Amino acid sequence: KAGVTQTPRYLIKTRGQQVTLSCSPISGHRSVSWYQQTPGQGLQFLFEYFSETQRNKGNFPGRFSGRQFSNSRSEMNVSTLELGDSALYLCASSQDGAVNYGYTFGSGTRLTVV
Amino acid sequence: QKEVEQDPGPLSVPEGAIVSLNCTYSNSAFQYFMWYRQYSRKGPELLMYTYSSGNKEDGRFTAQVDKSSKYISLFIRDSQPSDSATYLCAMSTNTGGFKTIFGAGTRLFVKA
Repeated sequence: KAGVTQTPRYLIKTRGQQVTLSCSPISGHRSVSWYQQTPGQGLQFLFEYFSETQRNKGNFPGRFSGRQFSNSRSEMNVSTLELGDSALYLCASSQDGAVNYGYTFGSGTRLTVV
Repeated sequence: QKEVEQDPGPLSVPEGAIVSLNCTYSNSAFQYFMWYRQYSRKGPELLMYTYSSGNKEDGRFTAQVDKSSKYISLFIRDSQPSDSATYLCAMSTNTGGFKTIFGAGTRLFVKA
């Protein structure tokens, strides 16, 4: 059974640019959540998508957005990048995030903003 | 005050020791309690999942939940160098909208 696939693994971007990250969840999982992980703040919840609809949202500015496709694959977009956006972005897959039996995480995308 | 508090460590122990990792929380609505292990340059991996209070054992790992004290623990018996990783606690609730909160993670080193 394939795990959660995130692409790309590493990215270097310049301030002001935008970036799109991709996540393919485990087959059959309909919920995809995105987290930002930094040494200072730990894992911070960005948003959750279920059946192509954003169901939950964390406390991040509108520069952070996402979407989910009919095959449950999800993308996350960050516009007008800031230095503080440098982080590991993790995608978490679950069958139905409303009852959390635990996530399966991808290996993450390491974003560096210079 | 954070909803979930976890000592970031680092915690260094000799091989074979019993390791105790802990988290405290303030939100009494949390119902689901989890422990994740994260190796360097990898995503977190679910180790243990428990619902409500009590103990759960899986091999060398035991998870304890004490809802009255708002305190959860993970014990690792006969620790191995391969257990060296960051351990994150996580808690979820469906009350008032579903949410999961992670602890900061405790960095564990097991010395051979």
